[in-house]
Amino acid sequence: DTGVSQDPRHKITKRGQNVTFRCDPISEHNRLYWYRQTLGQGPEFLTYFQNEAQLEKSRLLSDRFSAERPKGSFSTLEIQRTEQGDSAMYLCASSTGEQFFGPGTRLTVL
Amino acid sequence: AQSVTQLGSHVSVSEGALVLLRCNYSSSVPPYLFWYVQYPNQGLQLLLKYTTGATLVKGINGFEAEFKKSETSFHLTKPSAHMSDAAEYFCAVRLNRDDKIIFGKGTRLHILP
Repeated sequence: DTGVSQDPRHKITKRGQNVTFRCDPISEHNRLYWYRQTLGQGPEFLTYFQNEAQLEKSRLLSDRFSAERPKGSFSTLEIQRTEQGDSAMYLCASSTGEQFFGPGTRLTVL
Repeated sequence: AQSVTQLGSHVSVSEGALVLLRCNYSSSVPPYLFWYVQYPNQGLQLLLKYTTGATLVKGINGFEAEFKKSETSFHLTKPSAHMSDAAEYFCAVRLNRDDKIIFGKGTRLHILP
């Protein structure tokens, strides 16, 4: 499968714990985006990378959130000290023009 | 600032009937416009997009949308609904080729037998 992959697909954690998600983009896609989708809402932009450089961060991305894309390949999104309000689907997309979305990681914070 | 408004969070149509999902956008420059579909517990799939050129855009699964600049609209239609069309549909706008996508809140389409 040559699409965007995300791992894990589901994550259940307790409030206060740290979690990390991974996104593997389509090979040679230089742009990578993270979005968050809460129940009943459309996806909201969090951040994006061009190669390894993080070019834009949304106000939604509090200081508990950090994203990296070492070597311009896969990306990780870490949430520290999770809160119940962080429960959402986290979507990754990669692009050389058109954005292709992965299946998402569903986070549940208890 | 760009924004997208989808009219109706839920739309129900009978199988075989016309599907019409409404979308209005706001953009300071000519936008790129999209419709995405999301099936339960799945990611987003691109249905169709408008960038430039012909204002009537055809997509997958028999869907089409028309860009109307004067009305700032990009409504999605399908002549005959099928049970498999039941899903969440998102209208979206993008400023340029490499920019982030701004999504509407979505419309859940229900197909009645």
